[in-house]
Amino acid sequence: EVQLVESGGGLVQPGGSLRLSCAASGFTFSNYWMTWVRQAPGKGLEWVANIKQDGSEKYYVDSVKGRFTISRDNAKNSVFLQMNSLRAEDTAVYYCARGRVTLDPWGQGTLVTVSS
Amino acid sequence: DIQMTQSPSSLSASVGDRITITCRASQGISSWLAWYQQKPEKAPKSLIYGASNLQSGVPSRFSGSGSGTDFTLTISSLQPEDFATYYCQQYNSYPLTFGGGTKVEIK
Repeated sequence: EVQLVESGGGLVQPGGSLRLSCAASGFTFSNYWMTWVRQAPGKGLEWVANIKQDGSEKYYVDSVKGRFTISRDNAKNSVFLQMNSLRAEDTAVYYCARGRVTLDPWGQGTLVTVSS
Repeated sequence: DIQMTQSPSSLSASVGDRITITCRASQGISSWLAWYQQKPEKAPKSLIYGASNLQSGVPSRFSGSGSGTDFTLTISSLQPEDFATYYCQQYNSYPLTFGGGTKVEIK
């Protein structure tokens, strides 16, 4: 069974940092692009970033460029999102998903709350 | 950035009804469009890619059509498990963008 499990969310103060992880199983992780998507409370979906199979290509939404870094460890079947200089507007459930442009499946999400 | 506009933002329907959700792109995106279903407190689920191709395991009552700027998602006979929020997403160019969602509620 293909499974994605996010972790690392929590409460952080504005300006702080957090590192999200997504552990994959049930498929050959190194064959797939991986993506992070977020959803603010009560709002719609926003694509955040994605990363190529070998990590050589990464793309970000403008609002997180320079603050967030996506990375992966194919030996550990994991993708990460390092989030620095966090702002209140980064508060959201963060999902990882398999794929570059069509996303399937998705993990259950991890909640990040940025508040003082 | 390509803006995706869904309509309606919500609708009420009964089991067995046929419903159609519309998604319009701010510029042409060929058939680079996907649809997702999200139930409350759950992760989104992929339904359709390439505007009209059903993901494996998705019931045939779901269908998608369109190209260019105008797209539709149709559920031919609404089932109790279909009450959810539906999102379109373009993947013609970065940044990938989603529509605002259409909430399908029980009448």
